[in-house]
Amino acid sequence: DARVTQTPRHKVTEMGQEVTMRCQPILGHNTVFWYRQTMMQGLELLAYFRNRAPLDDSGMPKDRFSAEMPDATLATLKIQPSEPRDSAVYFCASAPRGGNQPQHFGDGTRLSIL
Amino acid sequence: AQKITQTQPGMFVQEKEAVTLDCTYDTSDPSYGLFWYKQPSSGEMIFLIYQGSYDQQNATEGRYSLNFQKARKSANLVISASQLGDSAMYFCAMREGRSGGGADGLTFGKGTHLIIQP
Repeated sequence: DARVTQTPRHKVTEMGQEVTMRCQPILGHNTVFWYRQTMMQGLELLAYFRNRAPLDDSGMPKDRFSAEMPDATLATLKIQPSEPRDSAVYFCASAPRGGNQPQHFGDGTRLSIL
Repeated sequence: AQKITQTQPGMFVQEKEAVTLDCTYDTSDPSYGLFWYKQPSSGEMIFLIYQGSYDQQNATEGRYSLNFQKARKSANLVISASQLGDSAMYFCAMREGRSGGGADGLTFGKGTHLIIQP
């Protein structure tokens, strides 16, 4: 079964450090999403790409977060500098062509900022 | 206003009983899609079922069915013959608009924590 792969699975770091999360979407999927899950806010869409071009990043704090897709097999989400309020589970998801296609989620990166 | 409302924070159900998880949505777009995902305690998000706004019939996938009432803007998930392994968080989500070329971002509800008791 094809899967979305996210690394690292867990990350603990100190406030102010740069954090980079990586995602390998399912081969052939043309849309890649980043979501964040917290107890308070639930699941929120941060940004997404179609055919590697950014489509919407309105959910992402622009001052410290950046998302890129350097090639079709890699999406990255960076936080610099990190803050304790960024502690959350970050999910990457990918979907094939077609508006009714389900998004396939990775297992998430559990991020703790001390 | 909440776009997706799940009014049941938690539910306890006896094994083998049917379960209905409520979801209401709010959109003015005539074209939208509704999704249900399951999140077990291990944390992964598992797609269960999809209903499009123009679909004439309620979606079904194995033990899962979607009770879609468009006029009421509700899309309740029904799980028949519940099993212990169904214990998990369940999220309703919506995609608004019709996008050429691919999927769009989802808006999620807060979820329902379902516990199946033996």
